[in-house]
Amino acid sequence: DGGITQSPKYLFRKEGQNVTLSCEQNLNHDAMYWYRQDPGQGLRLIYYSQIVNDFQKGDIAEGYSVSREKKESFPLTVTSAQKNPTAFYLCASSIARAGDTGELFFGEGSRLTVL
Amino acid sequence: AQSVTQPDIHITVSEGASLELRCNYSYGATPYLFWYVQSPGQGLQLLLKYFSGDTLVQGIKGFEAEFKRSQSSFNLRKPSVHWSDAAEYFCAVVFTGGGNKLTFGTGTQLKVEL
Repeated sequence: DGGITQSPKYLFRKEGQNVTLSCEQNLNHDAMYWYRQDPGQGLRLIYYSQIVNDFQKGDIAEGYSVSREKKESFPLTVTSAQKNPTAFYLCASSIARAGDTGELFFGEGSRLTVL
Repeated sequence: AQSVTQPDIHITVSEGASLELRCNYSYGATPYLFWYVQSPGQGLQLLLKYFSGDTLVQGIKGFEAEFKRSQSSFNLRKPSVHWSDAAEYFCAVVFTGGGNKLTFGTGTQLKVEL
């Protein structure tokens, strides 16, 4: 079955530690995205990538980093510079080719808690 | 400025009652419009979408939405709500010409009373 797999589903981190969230897709989509979700704030875009080896900052990129070495994978690192990292993180993908209308397909999310 | 607004943070309806969730946008042209649903602790699932053409669109799970250009709205409706519809609903918009990036509203939490 095609889809997006995020891991881990739950993650606990001590302050000052970097953590990496995994996102893998087998939909053959060109574009991948990371969103952060906080109660009452909807989804906010952290980073996105439209092709391999290229990515752009979203609205709230500070304290985060990404890489896109393979089409299928778009890991997100939450660094110690992120002041309030406790949140629900969602990865998504889209076609991003001619005719792309922006429809996103989502993974099931990763919940990060900083202790 | 381009924006999308969901005026209702929480809505409670009785099972079997009709439902309407509001979504308004601010944009100089017609954007692409979407409704997504999120169950607790899960990702988002697409309910329906509007790009052009017929302004009344049908989606999954018995939902429909109507695009009204004059009101810059894309409200989601369901004639008869089921208890399993309790979830959070997000309106999302692609402002064409902005790199096809999706902008989300802040969501409406739906509670269904039995």
